[in-house]
Parts: sequence; structure tokens; C-alpha cells
Amino acid sequence: DGGITQSPKYLFRKEGQNVTLSCEQNLNHDAMYWYRQDPGQGLRLIYYSQIVNDFQKGDIAEGYSVSREKKESFPLTVTSAQKNPTAFYLCASSTRDGVNYGYTFGSGTRLTVV
Amino acid sequence: GQNIDQPTEMTATEGAIVQINCTYQTSGFNGLFWYQQHAGEAPTFLSYNVLDGLEEKGRFSSFLSRSKGYSYLLLKELQMKDSASYLCAVNTNAGKSTFGDGTTLTVKP
Repeated sequence: DGGITQSPKYLFRKEGQNVTLSCEQNLNHDAMYWYRQDPGQGLRLIYYSQIVNDFQKGDIAEGYSVSREKKESFPLTVTSAQKNPTAFYLCASSTRDGVNYGYTFGSGTRLTVV
Repeated sequence: GQNIDQPTEMTATEGAIVQINCTYQTSGFNGLFWYQQHAGEAPTFLSYNVLDGLEEKGRFSSFLSRSKGYSYLLLKELQMKDSASYLCAVNTNAGKSTFGDGTTLTVKP
């Protein structure tokens, strides 16, 4: 079955560490996205990629980095420069224009700073 | 800038009908989506509107008025499992979606 897989489900980070969240899809979607969700709030866009080897900053890109070396994969690195990284991170994919069927989301990674 | 407004919380009774409103002001419009999100889970796609009017899909319907920057999600014959957050999202240029903060719906017996 086609889908989008995020790992790990839970992640704990010490102060000053970089951590990488994995996102893999086998839906043959061109576009992939990373969103952050804080309690009681909506989704805020971190980075997105419409095509391999290209990506754009979203609304809250500071302290994060991404790569898109393969169509199937869009990993997100949370760097030590991100001062408040504790949140629920959601990866999504879609056809390039993202219409008609919306986004398909992964099950999310819950990151906690300890 | 982008601005999407939804009520924070709503409560309704099992078997009833509830309407969740969404107003938006965005630079660029390529359609409006509604998603359902149960606590601790990922959002799932419910509906998509790009032209004015009503789209019906089973117990759920969604309406759009582009001139008013307004949409609503209508849930009929409410069930306990409909208790969730409902997210309104506007697809702007280049396939990027901006989300509202979501409306938490509680269905009571």
C-alpha cells in the first residue's frame, strides 16, 4: 500500500544537539512538506519541496534544514539554533499543485527537548 | 500576509448538525481544504473546494464563497467519533497550504 512514513514516532533531544527526522513516501508525489504543530495550534510550514534537488523556506525555517536528494525522501534536521524545538512534526506529500486530493500526512514525530 | 480564522471550540449533541466556519484573507487562492485531526494523530483529508458552492460527501459537506473569503464545513448526524479538530487550509500559489488553528469539536451523548 502507498503511504508516507515518518520515524521515529518519539524523539528526545538534549540541549545543543542536532537531530534528524525521517520522512519517506512511496506515493510517487512530487511535492513534500514539513509542518510543525504546537499544542492547540494549527500547522506552520517549515520547508517545502516541489521537485528533487530543490526546496523553499516556509514561514518558520530558522533553526531547521532539509535536503531532497531523492523523490521519496525529505529529511528534516532540527539544529541547535532552533531555540524551542519541542513540538509535533508532520511531514506531508502531494501532487505538485497540491489540489484535488490535498495532502497525505505521515503519522508524525513528537520531539521533546530534555 | 495570510490570515485564516476559525472558532477555537464547538460542542454539539450526538445526532445533531454542526457548522464550522472559516474565513480567510490570503495572497493567492488555489482552493480550500478541510482536514480532520484526532488527538495525537495526523490530519486526514475531508474535502476540497475551488469553485463557489456546496460539495457534498456523505455526512460531510463543505461550502465556499470566494468573494466573501468564507467557507464552512457541515457535519450531519453527528457521531461520537466525530469529536476531533477540524482544520481549514487555503492552498496558495505553488501548491503550498496555509492552515488555520483548527476548531476542536466535542460531541456529547
